[in-house]
Amino acid sequence: AQSVTQPDIHITVSEGASLELRCNYSYGATPYLFWYVQSPGQGLQLLLKYFSGDTLVQGIKGFEAEFKRSQSSFNLRKPSVHWSDAAEYFCAVGPPYNNNDMRFGAGTRLTVKP
Amino acid sequence: KAGVTQTPRYLIKTRGQQVTLSCSPISGHRSVSWYQQTPGQGLQFLFEYFSETQRNKGNFPGRFSGRQFSNSRSEMNVSTLELGDSALYLCASSFQGTSEQFFGPGTRLTVL
Repeated sequence: AQSVTQPDIHITVSEGASLELRCNYSYGATPYLFWYVQSPGQGLQLLLKYFSGDTLVQGIKGFEAEFKRSQSSFNLRKPSVHWSDAAEYFCAVGPPYNNNDMRFGAGTRLTVKP
Repeated sequence: KAGVTQTPRYLIKTRGQQVTLSCSPISGHRSVSWYQQTPGQGLQFLFEYFSETQRNKGNFPGRFSGRQFSNSRSEMNVSTLELGDSALYLCASSFQGTSEQFFGPGTRLTVL
């Protein structure tokens, strides 16, 4: 069955420290992979996406993610976290040509310590 | 290009009432999907409309319905509101219904 797992419900990092948010997926074929960010009371903003090609993808706000097929993972990273990065982050997977089977992870809440 | 817009942003209703939420997709996008987000259940897919037709529906009761107009704007309706319907309702649009979706800011519905 298709699923997305974000093992960490809540992560706290200090401002300026590096960040890695984990995402594992189970999908029958090669999926399209996404990371979204959600600030409190807001909708989801697309950070980055992976469709094919280079397995390291760059996104907005200095984020990047690496697709590892052998590990079924798509972890999100940022070398230096800013206080404004505090938010909830969602990993999502879906088939390429339709959104009828989109799956979202449960989310990881990021707290940034000053 | 303007993003996805949702109105109203906040709603307070009482049990038994009905509510209609509106979503205007990004210009050129013909697919609109609706999601319910709650702390307990996370993001749950409600339904998707493409070219005025419902293409897919999630596992929600018939009290939840929707429609799409010829200009791709969509509305969702919830009848006979229950306390458990309190949630953030998100609309997302995509080009041709691909999995790359763009989300609106959501409508926060509170049922008292």
